[in-house]
Amino acid sequence: DGGITQSPKYLFRKEGQNVTLSCEQNLNHDAMYWYRQDPGQGLRLIYYSQIVNDFQKGDIAEGYSVSREKKESFPLTVTSAQKNPTAFYLCASRGADFDEQYFGPGTRLTVT
Amino acid sequence: AQSVTQLDSQVPVFEEAPVELRCNYSSSVSVYLFWYVQYPNQGLQLLLKYLSGSTLVKGINGFEAEFNKSQTSFHLRKPSVHISDTAEYFCAVTESGAGSYQLTFGKGTKLSVIP
Repeated sequence: DGGITQSPKYLFRKEGQNVTLSCEQNLNHDAMYWYRQDPGQGLRLIYYSQIVNDFQKGDIAEGYSVSREKKESFPLTVTSAQKNPTAFYLCASRGADFDEQYFGPGTRLTVT
Repeated sequence: AQSVTQLDSQVPVFEEAPVELRCNYSSSVSVYLFWYVQYPNQGLQLLLKYLSGSTLVKGINGFEAEFNKSQTSFHLRKPSVHISDTAEYFCAVTESGAGSYQLTFGKGTKLSVIP
């Protein structure tokens, strides 16, 4: 059963702590993406990776970091430098160039 | 740079009535266009996409959209909505041949179907 998994579904952290969100795909896709979703704001691109060991900043990369050591995995770390980290985070992957992006179920992060 | 405008943030409609969700985009090059649906606390699911060819695109759940290049629009329509269509809908664009195929999303339209 192919797809994208994100864990956990809900995550709670104290201010000042780094936190890592997991994203795994078994679709054999080269490209992977991280988005942040806030109410009424749509989705905004944080980072993307088109191939293993390479990634690029998106529109709102400040306060976030990523790695792409394996094709299947693209974890996102929300650092203490991110001023407003509470949001819904979505991971996506894409196969062929003209293909759509496939989305995971998302992780809702709450920082207090 | 590309951008997407979804003109209505909320659209209420009675069950079995038709609905149109509007989407306009801005880009200086050829584009691919997508409509996604999101149910509460879930990821996005593709409804339909326009890559090339026929400007009328049919998708899942009875939805369709028409690409209008002169008006830079890609409006989503359904002739008769159901309660289960209540969700948030996102229009997205990417430049064809852009390499990274980054999607730019609109801010979404919340469709509420009233029984």
